[in-house]
Amino acid sequence: SAVISQKPSRDICQRGTSLTIQCQVDSQVTMMFWYRQQPGQSLTLIATANQGSEATYESGFVIDKFPISRPNLTFSTLTVSNLSPEDSSIYLCSVGDRGNTEAFFGQGTRLTVV
Amino acid sequence: QKEVEQNSGPLSVPEGAIASLNCTYSDRGSQSFFWYRQYSGKSPELIMSIYSNGDKEDGRFTAQLNKASQYVSLLIRDSQPSDSATYLCAVNPGTYKYIFGTGTRLKVLA
Repeated sequence: SAVISQKPSRDICQRGTSLTIQCQVDSQVTMMFWYRQQPGQSLTLIATANQGSEATYESGFVIDKFPISRPNLTFSTLTVSNLSPEDSSIYLCSVGDRGNTEAFFGQGTRLTVV
Repeated sequence: QKEVEQNSGPLSVPEGAIASLNCTYSDRGSQSFFWYRQYSGKSPELIMSIYSNGDKEDGRFTAQLNKASQYVSLLIRDSQPSDSATYLCAVNPGTYKYIFGTGTRLKVLA
């Protein structure tokens, strides 16, 4: 399975600021995903990071709030912009592929907005 | 709306017992199914994947899939306190997206 390094592991941010989360994979992967897990909730897919093109966002998530970069097949960033306390969550990077391949997760980033 | 349903629990079982976790899904075209374990404050960890009807065993874990009933389960034999965690059922409906259930919290009582 791929080894996924995600950083920072946690951060406390002021409202109105932004946080950029990095995800590095030790091998080339087709699909990279960003999820949010709010307290006591399951995982919600924010977007799929596409290499060389714009990310594909799920309903309820927009590029202005969650800009994503994917410059190559091993790296992606998620920025959470204009932070509010409602953005306090765990953000998870995941990699997978089409078909029947398992999805693997980074360690997650615990964001607290104050 | 494609959904994956799980009982949130908590499911409490005594140490050494069998824990049975259940999951139903709505998309009949789903092709692959996964169980993840998530300890508090940690990221999900893949335990089992299953792709065809029947049982799949790996150590103390057995995944069961019944596509006709749109049902997948996870059995944990000889449950240990270290198995106490939230177990997430995930479904890949054949697209690149994984749909997660809300998870079942398992408590193994020593």
